[in-house]
Parts: sequence; structure tokens; C-alpha cells
Amino acid sequence: DAGITQSPRHKVTETGTPVTLRCHQTENHRYMYWYRQDPGHGLRLIHYSYGVKDTDKGEVSDGYSVSRSKTEDFLLTLESATSSQTSVYFCAISESQGANEQYFGPGTRLTVT
Amino acid sequence: RKEVEQDPGPFNVPEGATVAFNCTYSNSASQSFFWYRQDCRKEPKLLMSVYSSGNEDGRFTAQLNRASQYISLLIRDSKLSDSATYLCVVNAYASHDMRFGAGTRLTVKP
Repeated sequence: DAGITQSPRHKVTETGTPVTLRCHQTENHRYMYWYRQDPGHGLRLIHYSYGVKDTDKGEVSDGYSVSRSKTEDFLLTLESATSSQTSVYFCAISESQGANEQYFGPGTRLTVT
Repeated sequence: RKEVEQDPGPFNVPEGATVAFNCTYSNSASQSFFWYRQDCRKEPKLLMSVYSSGNEDGRFTAQLNRASQYISLLIRDSKLSDSATYLCVVNAYASHDMRFGAGTRLTVKP
């Protein structure tokens, strides 16, 4: 299995509080991604990174920010959590874009009350 | 209309059955195609890539029809361990933006 960890694995937080999720990889892959998964929807891309300090928005980026200060770490921040951000968040990595598969972390289950 | 559409199922089949899933995609620029498998409350994992000529991996066969913009997955001789949700994934060439279907749930029963 690819070396990807996510922390925390579960979190319950209140509306309006900031939340940071961490993704850590030991594969030295260049590309890292944050997705959310909700019932009835496929995984949807929030943000992605193509290198240290290089990030860009995905399909559902509103309300989220990211940072990547080291190759191995990619952080996702919810500046002010809302109930609509209750979801399962997956981090993924890949060696290149497009044709290569993405490897996923175990996920973080976030509940915003 | 969603970019990638799958029949959500559930498909309930007996062990040993053959089952097929279809997936349609709307972006004609899509170049890469995959089937992922996701077990309950786990992360998705690559099952197989889908090539233009079709490809087979043991009991699993994937087909691509570019003209009709659909992908299929055939599972022969179903096992209990095949019970999972199967995600169809498409990607434009050299794109970061992989598009996932919502998944088709399969339950294989004894």
C-alpha cells in the first residue's frame, strides 16, 4: 500500500470554527489532491498541488484553502466550518497527472454540528 | 447532467454469477479511464485501467466505447469478496481533474 496517512481520522466540530486536516505521504510523489465524498456524488476535487507551494483550485474549492510547504505534507483548512462541509475527506497522491493512477489515504470523517 | 454517470444499484447477485456495470461520460476529450473499487468506509483503490482495445485481469474485463462514450466492467464467477462499490473514473489528457462516478454497489450473496 502507498504510504499515505491522514489526520485526524475523525473529527466533530462546531459551525464557525476553523479546521485543518493533514495529509502526509512517504512516496515522494509530486502531485497531491484533496477530495470530498458525499452520498450520491462521486469524489469531487477540492484543491490539488503540483509541487511545494504550487497549488490550484478544483471543482468545489469555495470555503477551503490549502498549503504545501514540504513535499510530503498537504494541509486542507476550512476557515470557518459550515454544516455543508460535513463529509468524508480523502487525500490522494500521484506521480504524474492524467494517465497515472491516484493512491488514496484512509480518509477523514468530518462532522460539523 | 453529471460528467460521469453510473447506475447506483445495488446489484445483488449470487456467488458464481456474472455481473456487468456500465458507465457513461460526457466529456469527449476524456483520455484516461479507470475502475476503482471502494469497500465500505474505506478509501478507493485502483481495480484496473481501461484501454481502448479492452483489457482483462483474471475474472475482470473492462471495455471502452469511445463513440458512445461509455465504459463497462464485467465480473465473472463472482466471489463474496467482490462485494464493494465500483467507481468509474475518467480524465482528460494530462489533467489534474479526474472525474468520478458516484459508484455502483455490488453485493454478492452465498
